[in-house]
Amino acid sequence: AQSVTQLGSHVSVSEGALVLLRCNYSSSVPPYLFWYVQYPNQGLQLLLKYTTGATLVKGINGFEAEFKKSETSFHLTKPSAHMSDAAEYFCAVTPYGNNRLAFGKGNQVVVIP
Amino acid sequence: IAGITQAPTSQILAAGRRMTLRCTQDMRHNAMYWYRQDLGLGLRLIHYSNTAGTTGKGEVPDGYSVSRANTDDFPLTLASAVPSQTSVYFCASSSGADTGELFFGEGSRLTVL
Repeated sequence: AQSVTQLGSHVSVSEGALVLLRCNYSSSVPPYLFWYVQYPNQGLQLLLKYTTGATLVKGINGFEAEFKKSETSFHLTKPSAHMSDAAEYFCAVTPYGNNRLAFGKGNQVVVIP
Repeated sequence: IAGITQAPTSQILAAGRRMTLRCTQDMRHNAMYWYRQDLGLGLRLIHYSNTAGTTGKGEVPDGYSVSRANTDDFPLTLASAVPSQTSVYFCASSSGADTGELFFGEGSRLTVL
């Protein structure tokens, strides 16, 4: 079975500082990996994804993530936090050919002015 | 605007009552999903449907049932609601291609007393 681990339910970051959200996955087959973002009272929307090919993937709003097979990680970063980045972020995994995503527990990001 | 429509947005329900959460999509996606979101637990898959006429169990299916009579609709039924089913429920869909990208509705907040 596939799973992801996100540590630290709440993450506080100063405006303009680096955003780093960690995600480690477990998968017995080559995984597809995703980051989704959820703004208050909304559904989730895709931030970025890794399927195959380039291991550094860029998403919307300046976010990027790097797939590191040796570390079973897919950490999300953004060089400079903006107030609008305040949201909950979920890492998710699914095996190739299967769209039934397994989500992590999420990171609630608070941006401090 | 194309997307997923969920109803009701919010509902308070007495324990033991039957409740159906509605989900309709207009993107002609083959696959649909129901997730529940609980604080500190992230999203967990309840049931899914890869195509009209088929359904499958996810991670937490007990106490829930689904049907998929056509491509657009995927209702979730709680036959006899219990307080532990208090949650926010999200319906999602995907095209069925091996992209892993899900499109989410805005959720239905259910409180069972």
